[in-house]
Amino acid sequence: DGGITQSPKYLFRKEGQNVTLSCEQNLNHDAMYWYRQDPGQGLRLIYYSQIVNDFQKGDIAEGYSVSREKKESFPLTVTSAQKNPTAFYLCASSIGGGIAYNEQFFGPGTRLTVL
Amino acid sequence: GENVEQHPSTLSVQEGDSAVIKCTYSDSASNYFPWYKQELGKRPQLIIDIRSNVGEKKDQRIAVTLNKTAKHFSLHITETQPEDSAVYFCAPTNAGGTSYGKLTFGQGTILTVHP
Repeated sequence: DGGITQSPKYLFRKEGQNVTLSCEQNLNHDAMYWYRQDPGQGLRLIYYSQIVNDFQKGDIAEGYSVSREKKESFPLTVTSAQKNPTAFYLCASSIGGGIAYNEQFFGPGTRLTVL
Repeated sequence: GENVEQHPSTLSVQEGDSAVIKCTYSDSASNYFPWYKQELGKRPQLIIDIRSNVGEKKDQRIAVTLNKTAKHFSLHITETQPEDSAVYFCAPTNAGGTSYGKLTFGQGTILTVHP
């Protein structure tokens, strides 16, 4: 389980504020992912990155932004444009780099609550 | 994109019974079929996977079977134990193409094993 961390564990935000969720990995993985988890809806992909300085929108990217300036880090910003941001956010990483059948390793998650 | 459905959404069994969760998908190009397990309060973890050139794979008490013609695959757990209680997610994937490395998760099945 070690190797991919997320902070903070719990985060509270007032409406209208942007907030950034941290995701760090020391697994030397090329690919990183952000998911949102809501009850009864499984894991939905927000953004993913296969390599440094490159990322793609997932299925529910509206109201979110990311950056991938370092291999180890893939922060997610939840902007005020996200209409329903209260959720559990999971970051994951995988070997990537041309290996398609690759296990995704998940972080412990951040629970965001908008007050 | 891939449409994924899991059935049932909840499953309750007695310890020692078997449990079967079915995952139906829409993309005939899918060729990689993993199952992830998420225990309460913990991160998802890969428990078993199968590729399209194999019809069945077994690992101790868990197995996965694939029916590519009908576009579904199933998770089988035998001799269930209370520690099998968790949410199980399938994530059928086209390991190549433009969805390279990206997983589309089902909505999850909550398995409860009663002692």
